[in-house]
Amino acid sequence: EPEVTQTPSHQVTQMGQEVILRCVPISNHLYFYWYRQILGQKVEFLVSFYNNEISEKSEIFDDQFSVERPDGSNFTLKIRSTKLEDSAMYFCASSEGTGFGYTFGSGTRLTVV
Amino acid sequence: GQQVMQIPQYQHVQEGEDFTTYCNSSTTLSNIQWYKQRPGGHPVFLIQLVKSGEVKKQKRLTFQFGEAKKNSSLHITATQTTDVGTYFCAGRGAGGTSYGKLTFGQGTILTVHP
Repeated sequence: EPEVTQTPSHQVTQMGQEVILRCVPISNHLYFYWYRQILGQKVEFLVSFYNNEISEKSEIFDDQFSVERPDGSNFTLKIRSTKLEDSAMYFCASSEGTGFGYTFGSGTRLTVV
Repeated sequence: GQQVMQIPQYQHVQEGEDFTTYCNSSTTLSNIQWYKQRPGGHPVFLIQLVKSGEVKKQKRLTFQFGEAKKNSSLHITATQTTDVGTYFCAGRGAGGTSYGKLTFGQGTILTVHP
């Protein structure tokens, strides 16, 4: 069964450093998302991406965050200057369309120290 | 903004007992989806409900979408230890220009005691 692949599985970074989280969505999917989940809490929407541009973003997704689809297969989330409160599990997801379920990746656990 | 509330937050059951989690949206939904997240895992898509009053079954799981398309429920009959995990509802707002954004409820953590 097709999978969404995320790397790395764990990332520890110092406060103020830049991190890039990588995702390879399912190849025939058209919609891509980043969500995050702080330990034990709900899954929070960050951003949706369609047709090579951001289609929607949440209040969490401020100027420190950016997304790219640089080569038609990878989908990256960059946090320019990490804060302690950015520590969370970051999930990438993709879907065939707006009326379909998401396929989530296994996540990247980001720890900011 | 749209809010999706889910109750209960926790549910502990004995194996063989039934389990139900309820989901309520502050706004009308175009559809609602349900996901299961095993401990330490990622959310896995279970089902999508689209029509008002829709009921769908997957083996021991029964999903309902309310007539007003603002609430939903998941019922598990005769729970098994493999049902352990967090069950999330996730709603997609009706109308607007949402490109598929789902708003997740807080989830119900199900523990099943053998």
